[in-house]
Amino acid sequence: QQQVKQSPQSLIVQKGGISIINCAYENTAFDYFPWYQQFPGKGPALLIAIRPDVSEKKEGRFTISFNKSAKQFSLHIMDSQPGDSATYFCAASKGYGGSQGNLIFGKGTKLSVKP
Amino acid sequence: KAGVTQTPRYLIKTRGQQVTLSCSPISGHRSVSWYQQTPGQGLQFLFEYFSETQRNKGNFPGRFSGRQFSNSRSEMNVSTLELGDSALYLCASRTGAHNEQFFGPGTRLTVL
Repeated sequence: QQQVKQSPQSLIVQKGGISIINCAYENTAFDYFPWYQQFPGKGPALLIAIRPDVSEKKEGRFTISFNKSAKQFSLHIMDSQPGDSATYFCAASKGYGGSQGNLIFGKGTKLSVKP
Repeated sequence: KAGVTQTPRYLIKTRGQQVTLSCSPISGHRSVSWYQQTPGQGLQFLFEYFSETQRNKGNFPGRFSGRQFSNSRSEMNVSTLELGDSALYLCASRTGAHNEQFFGPGTRLTVL
């Protein structure tokens, strides 16, 4: 049972464009939703995270939009740059405040930003 | 602050052997989680240790085990290796009071 579904699998965007990656979850007990960026040969790096009591969070060019009723959240990368080319993973966990250390990950989206 | 470190970075073993991987968390972090990353299954949670106690466990066979030491360093062990155990094994640390997990570079295990 895939608890976090991520789409698309791959995405090609022109430099300066907006990259949008979507995730849907099933377990309403999830209360922490991070996004990770992974470059080849590296471990995932935490980009930005959100809790369900907030509908949007922005950090620089990265924005998370959260829709609790639809059980969906998305990552928007504004002004996409070639250096953003990487694989992006959404994740979810329960027990905000630290009691749960097990992240459930989506399958990942490979983003290519063309110059 | 130094990040999460994992040793070794690469490992080649044969079926039936056992392997031990090591993880040193960020200073001050008391929780260490282990994940397996494969092209087919993606990132899957193995287990989490906090203050030397296993706190959570994923859906993996008993051949996968781990432990944590008093200095928060952690090891994971895989016994009786199978070809399907070939993967990138990632360690992540967090303070334990917050959810943010920071990953190490991983150990690439190849089973022949």
